[in-house]
Amino acid sequence: DAGVTQSPTHLIKTRGQQVTLRCSPISGHKSVSWYQQVLGQGPQFIFQYYEKEERGRGNFPDRFSARQFPNYSSELNVNALLLGDSALYLCASSSLSVEQFFGPGTRLTVL
Amino acid sequence: AQSVTQPDIHITVSEGASLELRCNYSYGATPYLFWYVQSPGQGLQLLLKYFSGDTLVQGIKGFEAEFKRSQSSFNLRKPSVHWSDAAEYFCAVGADNAGNMLTFGGGTRLMVKP
Repeated sequence: DAGVTQSPTHLIKTRGQQVTLRCSPISGHKSVSWYQQVLGQGPQFIFQYYEKEERGRGNFPDRFSARQFPNYSSELNVNALLLGDSALYLCASSSLSVEQFFGPGTRLTVL
Repeated sequence: AQSVTQPDIHITVSEGASLELRCNYSYGATPYLFWYVQSPGQGLQLLLKYFSGDTLVQGIKGFEAEFKRSQSSFNLRKPSVHWSDAAEYFCAVGADNAGNMLTFGGGTRLMVKP
């Protein structure tokens, strides 16, 4: 079975631009969560979606938004990029009551 | 608000030696506690978790952890470290036993000497 997949693997943006990151959950999983991991730090929770509804939100500015599609895949959108948004963005999927599995992440560099 | 502290940023041990990684948490109720491992270029992998019952929990790859409520700790241990254990280890507290909405510690980087 395929694990959680994320695209792209890497991308480079400049300050002020907008970026969209994508995540495909494990087949059968209806929950997707997003985390930001700045270099040298632990991951920070951004959003969780379940059945296309936002289930939880971390302490991130409104520049960060997400959505979940009918096939349970998800997109994370970040507007007006700042240098501090440079990080590894991790996606995790679960069946909500069972262990969640993390994808390999998307490395975002903001110049 | 819940928080997790991993006091040791880096730890170096010799292969075959025992290992203990420290984790302290702050949480109002009974915590749902997790340990994850992250190898270079890899996603996070769950090693073990605790939410009730026996305070000594066994995980994958020969790891175990002990929950001590009186000390607000959940330390990770392994009796004999292998070179392949070199990685970053994260302790986390979650909103439920499935590990949703995790709050992670800053991580401990483990290096293994031959």
